[in-house]
Amino acid sequence: NAGVTQTPKFRVLKTGQSMTLLCAQDMNHEYMYWYRQDPGMGLRLIHYSVGEGTTAKGEVPDGYNVSRLKKQNFLLGLESAAPSQTSVYFCASSYWGQGAYEQYFGPGTRLTVT
Amino acid sequence: DAKTTQPNSMESNEEEPVHLPCNHSTISGTDYIHWYRQLPSQGPEYVIHGLTSNVNNRMASLAIAEDRKSSTLILHRATLRDAAVYYCIPPPGGGADGLTFGKGTHLIIQP
Repeated sequence: NAGVTQTPKFRVLKTGQSMTLLCAQDMNHEYMYWYRQDPGMGLRLIHYSVGEGTTAKGEVPDGYNVSRLKKQNFLLGLESAAPSQTSVYFCASSYWGQGAYEQYFGPGTRLTVT
Repeated sequence: DAKTTQPNSMESNEEEPVHLPCNHSTISGTDYIHWYRQLPSQGPEYVIHGLTSNVNNRMASLAIAEDRKSSTLILHRATLRDAAVYYCIPPPGGGADGLTFGKGTHLIIQP
């Protein structure tokens, strides 16, 4: 199993440009998440999905949109990139059972907005 | 919402045990305690979780205080590869909410 994969690994955007980050998981997990991590900080939740066709806002959703058209994929879109969105983006997926929450993370996408 | 408190950093020598503390005095009686770690330039990875009794797996042990207000992650023989940021994670707000990562404990391993 590949686990959680993210595409691309690195990207440089100019202010105002748009892009889509792709997350894919092969573990048949219902739940998927997008986080961002700024230097020296912990991760912050952007959006999440509890199943195909459903999405919800996390702690820092402004400036991002997401879609979950297929169970195995979760897309994160930036419609008009801003320098404040320079960060490392992590995708995760998980099962849910009995109050335990083991999330599996991808390797991250390093995004720089100039 | 429950919160956790960890030291900013800790240092240990290779091949020695490491005890990473976490205070979670506001945790409820049915909430699991979870630990994750993040190696340099990688995504976080799950380490261990527990409810009331001590737990062991191939990566670490988790010792939970009897009053559940604190726990200790134990690495029995630290290696250089264990140098990472270790996060004690409070339970999510509910359902499938995402995890709340604080700044964690930066573990430095000296050869």
